[in-house]
Amino acid sequence: SQQGEEDPQALSIQEGENATMNCSYKTSINNLQWYRQNSGRGLVHLILIRSNEREKHSGRLRVTLDTSKKSSSLLITASRAADTASYFCATDAGGTSYGKLTFGQGTILTVHP
Amino acid sequence: NAGVTQTPKFRVLKTGQSMTLLCAQDMNHEYMYWYRQDPGMGLRLIHYSVGEGTTAKGEVPDGYNVSRLKKQNFLLGLESAAPSQTSVYFCASNSRTYEQYFGPGTRLTVT
Repeated sequence: SQQGEEDPQALSIQEGENATMNCSYKTSINNLQWYRQNSGRGLVHLILIRSNEREKHSGRLRVTLDTSKKSSSLLITASRAADTASYFCATDAGGTSYGKLTFGQGTILTVHP
Repeated sequence: NAGVTQTPKFRVLKTGQSMTLLCAQDMNHEYMYWYRQDPGMGLRLIHYSVGEGTTAKGEVPDGYNVSRLKKQNFLLGLESAAPSQTSVYFCASNSRTYEQYFGPGTRLTVT
């Protein structure tokens, strides 16, 4: 079963605008990760946030985590056409999970030049 | 440093045929994973391995077998392919630092 539910399923914006994607999950986690997938390619890791962290930044990316609501958001600021891709959240339960990830269904982001 | 590679990139099988997908990583990672991705869905874990000679079932293991005879290789086998196994298959690896590194995928069609 899918751990994460992502919202929206698709997002279309203009270059320069900000894009926000949300992820909700069901069970306790050790960390939550965001991945990007360009069409027809493998996934690429973007950012990881641990369960004891509330916010993390990496370049134009900002991730927040609210463990009480079991939700996370990914903000991409000043988007570019090259940001067009699918974005997935993935949760790691930690412990003896051996790094196994449970993925959400993804948000398709289209950035128009 | 090639990272994670997968062969083949594309394959078409007839129902009942068998095949093996090969995943190789050159990062000396302990953990390796096989996922499948279906249209409009995220990735679902088929099988995984936490070290050479070990394998374990993931979320959707039925119809697949795996082997990890060498640390750098993780093989996924389909003994008798079914149309429901039409999908894109991704291999990934990590070194206990949480981030997974993915291969480029194998697009499999079963007719």
